[in-house]
Amino acid sequence: AAGVIQSPRHLIKEKRETATLKCYPIPRHDTVYWYQQGPGQDPQFLISFYEKMQSDKGSIPDRFSAQQFSDYHSELNMSSLELGDSALYFCASSLGLMGGAPYGYTFGSGTRLTVV
Amino acid sequence: AQTVTQSQPEMSVQEAETVTLSCTYDTSESNYYLFWYKQPPSRQMILVIRQEAYKQQNATENRFSVNFQKAAKSFSLKISDSQLGDTAMYFCAFMSSMGGGSQGNLIFGKGTKLSVKP
Repeated sequence: AAGVIQSPRHLIKEKRETATLKCYPIPRHDTVYWYQQGPGQDPQFLISFYEKMQSDKGSIPDRFSAQQFSDYHSELNMSSLELGDSALYFCASSLGLMGGAPYGYTFGSGTRLTVV
Repeated sequence: AQTVTQSQPEMSVQEAETVTLSCTYDTSESNYYLFWYKQPPSRQMILVIRQEAYKQQNATENRFSVNFQKAAKSFSLKISDSQLGDTAMYFCAFMSSMGGGSQGNLIFGKGTKLSVKP
């Protein structure tokens, strides 16, 4: 079965640069969630989209922006990168806002961003 | 706001034995969903087991089972016949079923690092 696809798998950027992470949801899924997991930390919710509209916003810095496109894939844009942005960024998808319940939703393999 | 607490940062167990990971949570809601996710060294987040708060029966998935105590807001994970492949970080997570934008978002605990020793 098709899963959530994230690209790239690894990304190295310098401070103050810009990075774009991409997430391709499971086919027919219309909802995307982004999470950030710092080293040794638990995943923290960043932002979600439902039917191409922002659904909820968590602890996402103003330097970050995201959007969901007509084909439901989503991109997370991060500007003015800081060393503290180094983390694993996960994406998950579901059919509908509560599509992740009660079965839980499937995460992509993540993008490991390293800022040097 | 909901919170999830995992009080055991690290645990170890001998292969083939049983281990229980603790999780408590705080919420004012009566209906919600609880999950255990496993994160092995590959860093992939893998769903282990889920529980719907309105169901009193404890969920079971092969060697994994939960002890869900709604009144105590406790959701522990029991791993029976532990295997070397169970070595991973385990995260307990809460999902609200309330309306509004918070639907579908997971709130994670800090995790428990489990090591299965041969």
